[in-house]
Amino acid sequence: SYVLTQPPSVSVAPGRTARITCGGNNIGSKSVHWYQQKAGQAPVLVIYYDSDRPSGIPERFSGSNSGNTATLTISRVEAGDEADYYCQVWDNSSDRVVFGGGTKLTVL
Amino acid sequence: EVQLVESGGGLVKPGGSLRLSCAASGFTFNNYNMNWVRQAPGKGLEWVSSISGRSSHTYYADSVKGRFTISRDNAKNSLYLQMNSLTAEDTAVYHCAREGEQWELLTWGQGTLVTVSS
Repeated sequence: SYVLTQPPSVSVAPGRTARITCGGNNIGSKSVHWYQQKAGQAPVLVIYYDSDRPSGIPERFSGSNSGNTATLTISRVEAGDEADYYCQVWDNSSDRVVFGGGTKLTVL
Repeated sequence: EVQLVESGGGLVKPGGSLRLSCAASGFTFNNYNMNWVRQAPGKGLEWVSSISGRSSHTYYADSVKGRFTISRDNAKNSLYLQMNSLTAEDTAVYHCAREGEQWELLTWGQGTLVTVSS
């Protein structure tokens, strides 16, 4: 089955840039989606189709995907960005939705 | 406004059954595939199952296949998850989610907690 690998944690100072990676075999050939989940809340889609932003998501959130790594980039990080972030793809070889293990973003 | 509201969670004994419901509003329900995703306490997201708009296709995670059944009633704008032979490993918050064109999960409900314990 297809596996997505994320770092368990990323720390960043306010105002700096956070990059969260999502590794998978030839993930560049898939559409990658990213979710933000704040404590006690349901997940929210923040990036879809690798790099598109739903309405209402700040431009500070961006995404890229190439080769074996997809990346969520959060520019000018704010305290309110502290959350767990998950990447997700559809694995068409097994007809399964696959999530990465999640990355806890800590704003120092 | 798009809304998804889950219900039906609770405490159940190992080996027992439970049926979850998800009431949808604010969009044309039968135009969208729907999913169930769960999250065990302190753990990450785990996809459980999905169903196409007219129920012609259903998919399951290996961990629930043969025990869980997803269904929908488009006349009632409702999604269901019948869960049988429950074990402690099924303890989680269960979210329903609306799916987009590339399997992105556009909207999520707040979830309903299922606790399997004797």
